[in-house]
Amino acid sequence: DSGVTQTPKHLITATGQRVTLRCSPRSGDLSVYWYQQSLDQGLQFLIQYYNGEERAKGNILERFSAQQFPDLHSELNLSSLELGDSALYFCASSEYPLKSRGQETQYFGPGTRLLVL
Amino acid sequence: AQKVTQAQTEISVVEKEDVTLDCVYETRDTTYYLFWYKQPPSGELVFLIRRNSFDEQNEISGRYSWNFQKSTSSFNFTITASQVVDSAVYFCALSEARGGGYQKVTFGTGTKLQVIP
Repeated sequence: DSGVTQTPKHLITATGQRVTLRCSPRSGDLSVYWYQQSLDQGLQFLIQYYNGEERAKGNILERFSAQQFPDLHSELNLSSLELGDSALYFCASSEYPLKSRGQETQYFGPGTRLLVL
Repeated sequence: AQKVTQAQTEISVVEKEDVTLDCVYETRDTTYYLFWYKQPPSGELVFLIRRNSFDEQNEISGRYSWNFQKSTSSFNFTITASQVVDSAVYFCALSEARGGGYQKVTFGTGTKLQVIP
């Protein structure tokens, strides 16, 4: 158990709908990362937050948004869903922001499997 | 543009054999990060290592070792005395290093390793 929780585990919805994925980082971790894994696109980094602030943005679509709340949990909002958004969405956390030196370890949640029909 | 190539799509080895997973990258950045992740058949993602571009010292962690060679733009991963539990898909990734976060993260397509008992 990594200590990172993600809810829900599975989500089935229809095109055009909006969903919210939730991530609770390990206790004490300030950084949260979101990744998407799909058959078509492979693994992609979406976005990173550190202590409530956006720190890095990856291949996140404009229909997607995320935030990190004061209690450090994070939510990924996906709207106007399309069939191609069907994927496994992973959240990860780490204790520090990216440090230029030293080792950083990311801890991954079990993922949320989203199916858009 | 950044690129990560994992030319080995699938590798099969017999238990206790050593195996090396290749990762070749392309980037114009002078400072960057390289990563390896593991995804077992159960589907979760496991962070293995992050390497800074200015640190070419090879890393060893138990049966795992990483060989970073800037001259050939490679970051290869070797498992010594492989075990069935090492069976997984392994991903190599590259990230620009600036702004305290992961920028322009690019993943390879993964190498599926099967360790046969």
